[in-house]
Amino acid sequence: KAGVTQTPRYLIKTRGQQVTLSCSPISGHRSVSWYQQTPGQGLQFLFEYFSETQRNKGNFPGRFSGRQFSNSRSEMNVSTLELGDSALYLCASSPTSSTSNTQYFGPGTRLTVL
Amino acid sequence: AQSVTQLDSQVPVFEEAPVELRCNYSSSVSVYLFWYVQYPNQGLQLLLKYLSGSTLVESINGFEAEFNKSQTSFHLRKPSVHISDTAEYFCAVSVPHSGSARQLTFGSGTQLTVLP
Repeated sequence: KAGVTQTPRYLIKTRGQQVTLSCSPISGHRSVSWYQQTPGQGLQFLFEYFSETQRNKGNFPGRFSGRQFSNSRSEMNVSTLELGDSALYLCASSPTSSTSNTQYFGPGTRLTVL
Repeated sequence: AQSVTQLDSQVPVFEEAPVELRCNYSSSVSVYLFWYVQYPNQGLQLLLKYLSGSTLVESINGFEAEFNKSQTSFHLRKPSVHISDTAEYFCAVSVPHSGSARQLTFGSGTQLTVLP
């Protein structure tokens, strides 16, 4: 099976702009989660989507949003970018079996805000 | 809420030596435990996981971890490391059978550097 794919791999934006990142989960996985990784804060959970519904949300401002499509692909959007939004954004997909919460990560999108 | 503590931010070790990366967690409920590895400029790769059953879990590349409920620990060990094991290692927990079942809480990571 193909793994989790994320596009683009690298992005450079300026403060105030908005950005959209895309994630395609492993085939058959219906749960998609997003994480932010920074040197200062480490890995932090952003949100999880399942069947096109946000099921869980981390402690991030409303500028961070996401959605999921009927084919389980997900996008996350960050509006009004700030310098502190520079990070590696990781997407993870998970099978929906109740016996396994295992998440499989993509390669990430490296966002640089200038 | 859950928390994960990785006690060592950097662990240098010589090639073919044994290594232990420490992970302790805090939770008022039962958790699932994971170790992920991250190579430079890459995402996270699942190394091994503890869901239930035997407290000793092994990966295909020689790593093992032991779940110790009384000490709330899940330390990662390898008896003989290789240069290629140089990477950052993250311990993580999740709470099964809950609304946040697929929300991983990560430790701050341990950079393992294998020296020739």
